[in-house]
Amino acid sequence: GAVVSQHPSRVICKSGTSVKIECRSLDFQATTMFWYRQFPKQSLMLMATSNEGSKATYEQGVEKDKFLINHASLTLSTLTVTSAHPEDSSFYICSANSGTGGYNEQFFGPGTRLTVL
Amino acid sequence: RKEVEQDPGPFNVPEGATVAFNCTYSNSASQSFFWYRQDCRKEPKLLMSVYSSGNEDGRFTAQLNRASQYISLLIIDSKLSDSATYLCVAYYGGSQGNLIFGKGTKLSVKP
Repeated sequence: GAVVSQHPSRVICKSGTSVKIECRSLDFQATTMFWYRQFPKQSLMLMATSNEGSKATYEQGVEKDKFLINHASLTLSTLTVTSAHPEDSSFYICSANSGTGGYNEQFFGPGTRLTVL
Repeated sequence: RKEVEQDPGPFNVPEGATVAFNCTYSNSASQSFFWYRQDCRKEPKLLMSVYSSGNEDGRFTAQLNRASQYISLLIIDSKLSDSATYLCVAYYGGSQGNLIFGKGTKLSVKP
């Protein structure tokens, strides 16, 4: 299957700092990537859909000014958590698919575990 | 409202046991369904798709009942390596982002 990487895998930061997470599709081009967040013992919740060359589409309740998404190329999307606070501590996972129209399998990155002190 | 409900478990079973997971979904507009497997602190990985006619892949069998809005996953001859959390996922069509994940059912297979 297709490979999606994320970096960093783990980050610990102080409250108030910003953290950037990268998501790359390694062997395919992804016009659309997705950012999820998963709190302990909770389901994955879609935060936003990242579209190459255009603005991201955020889910209801997700602050676009706090979670900045940039999809500068067909293989890279970044999520920046600005002014992070302890409640932002979570497991952030990106995914991408290589097809268009209908459902195509989403390939998930290995996730980034963010801990805000 | 779009929800996918699962029994969180944990299901603790011995090796070789047969175990069944159930899942219900609230929105009849769901188009496709999937079972994903998620290991602890890892990303989800697609286990199998679910069809009304049933889908079997080795020791795993998935079934969909649209009338009851119910999905199942059956694992026979459980292996230690089957220990994981199994996520029931519904796709609502349109944008690829329309995947709704259940909270998952945790399975622990013991020797």
